[in-house]
Amino acid sequence: DGGITQSPKYLFRKEGQNVTLSCEQNLNHDAMYWYRQDPGQGLRLIYYSQIVNDFQKGDIAEGYSVSREKKESFPLTVTSAQKNPTAFYLCASSIDGRGYEQYFGPGTRLTVT
Amino acid sequence: EDQVTQSPEALRLQEGESSSLNCSYTVSGLRGLFWYRQDPGKGPEFLFTLYSAGEEKEKERLKATLTKKESFLHITAPKPEDSATYLCAVQARNDKIIFGKGTRLHILP
Repeated sequence: DGGITQSPKYLFRKEGQNVTLSCEQNLNHDAMYWYRQDPGQGLRLIYYSQIVNDFQKGDIAEGYSVSREKKESFPLTVTSAQKNPTAFYLCASSIDGRGYEQYFGPGTRLTVT
Repeated sequence: EDQVTQSPEALRLQEGESSSLNCSYTVSGLRGLFWYRQDPGKGPEFLFTLYSAGEEKEKERLKATLTKKESFLHITAPKPEDSATYLCAVQARNDKIIFGKGTRLHILP
């Protein structure tokens, strides 16, 4: 079964701790994305990567970091510098990021207290 | 400035009552327009891609159309299971993707 997975589904952390969200795809897609979704707002792009070992900041990259060491994996780290980290995080992939649809994972709901 | 606006924000329909959702966009060169369905607490599910004005795509009770300034998602004789949030996204020629805030659709049995 081809698809995109995110883990865990729910994550709880204390303020001041870094946390890493996992995203894996077996669709052989080149492009991968991280979005944040808050109630009443559209999806906001955090980071994206169109090829292994390369990634670009999206609209709200401050307080986040990523790596793309393998084609299949694009983990997102939410650092303690992110001022309002509680949100629903979505990972997506597409064939090459140029005119092709995105396929989304099930999401990770992060709560920081 | 590139922008995507969806209307209405929320829509309640009776089962079988057909209607349309709107996605208006302003973008410097359209590479593609995408429609997704999102159920509560889940990731968006891809529905359609449209590339040029005049293009139409259909799937079951849904039909998406595209003009130079907007796209419509027509829903014919909806059922309660069509209740969801429908998201529109636009990709510009510079590869930037912009999402609208979505339309929450509720179909009453």
